[in-house]
Formats: sequence, structure tokens, C-alpha cells
Amino acid sequence: QLQLRETGPGLVKPSETLALSCSVSDGSFDSSSHYWAWIRQPPGKGLEWIGSIDYSGKVYHNSSLRSRVAMSLDTSKNQFSLRLSSVTVADSAVYYCARQEGVYCSPFSCLNWFDTWGRGTLVTVSS
Amino acid sequence: EIVLTQSPGTLSLSPGERATLSCRASQSVSNGFLAWYQQKPGQTPRLLIYGASSRATGVPNRFSGSGSGTDFTLTISSLEPEDFAVYYCQQYGNSPPITFGQGTRLDLK
Repeated sequence: QLQLRETGPGLVKPSETLALSCSVSDGSFDSSSHYWAWIRQPPGKGLEWIGSIDYSGKVYHNSSLRSRVAMSLDTSKNQFSLRLSSVTVADSAVYYCARQEGVYCSPFSCLNWFDTWGRGTLVTVSS
Repeated sequence: EIVLTQSPGTLSLSPGERATLSCRASQSVSNGFLAWYQQKPGQTPRLLIYGASSRATGVPNRFSGSGSGTDFTLTISSLEPEDFAVYYCQQYGNSPPITFGQGTRLDLK
């Protein structure tokens, strides 16, 4: 059964860069029918999609964060990564990595639902 | 960007009752590309429904989804104690961006 696990620092200082990695248990990055995504949830609040990356490394960003977000894939390590620059207190949240289905395509993209999630990691932005 | 508005914000019901949760989109969600998730306190969201009405693997058949266009519904036919949680809808028909509703909390009455 596919498992995902987020790793990274739990505390980041304002204006610095948040860097997280997600390890994927079965290394299924060569699948063209899946994307690998980051989603975050501020404490007590709802879910926000950050971005998704496909097996070729193509990235889709949430435009509200786009200029600060970088995502990458390392197939040799079975992991994908997120970097969020110039963080503020508003970026404090539980960060989830997830596998995203890409089977059905709309006129805009093939980004679908999230079928497998990591357990999440809490990142606090504070000096 | 499609904005999803869920109602009610909180729903208080008892085990055995029927729960009806609404998700309304600011514009039509193409092809009914809408999913529902359940999140219990301190836990990861769990996929329940995709494609507006298809149950994910292992989801009990008391959960059902319906709707199209801008109006979607998640129905739990007879509430079990483990169903009390927060429920989110998510659209992927007009993405990016992927967007989520703000959630409906289903509380034990």
C-alpha cells in the first residue's frame, strides 16, 4: 500500500525559506496518470492547495503563492520536495504531501482528486 | 478561480439520522469534477467521493454524492458514531487552481 511521509524543520524564521520533502514508499513517479501535490492547513482552518508536479517535472502552482513556490522531483530517492520562500507567520500550517490522480482531463488540466495523503507535518513560522 | 461555499457551517445530528451537506460553486464545475473528503480531529483528510458520485475504495455505501453544475451534495444515509467529523468538498474541473470549500463540521447532538 502506498505511503507518503513528510520531513522537514518544524520551525522556520520569518523571511526564510521553508523546505519540505515527501518520501514515497513505492517510487511510482514514472506513472503518467498521477501527480504529486502539496496541500496545507493552518491550525483550525481549511485546506489550501499549494501545487502539484508530474512525473516529467512539470509544475502547477496556486497563483496566490506562485512566485514563492518551487517544487521538484527526485526519482532516485523516491521523493519530491517543496520550497516556499519569504515565509511569514501566515505560512504557519500543517503541510501535507499527497498523490493526486490525473486520469480525467478538463479543458484546463488533468489535475484530479487526492487519493493518498501523508500524515502531515506542522511548520511554525516564528522568530 | 472557482470558490466553493459549503453549508451549513455546522450540522448537529444524532446517530441514525440522515445528514445532507451542501457544496455550491461560484461557477459551473466542468464534468462534475468534484470530490469530498472527511477529516477527523488530528487526522489526515480521507477521500470519500470523486467525480461527484463515485465512492472511493473502502468507503461505506451510506455515503453518497450527487449534483452537477454548481450544486453538489454529500449525503450520509444513517449516521454512525465514527462519521462525526469535518467534511470538505474540492473541485478539479476548472484547475489550476484546485480549490476546497471551507468545510462543514458534523457534530454529535
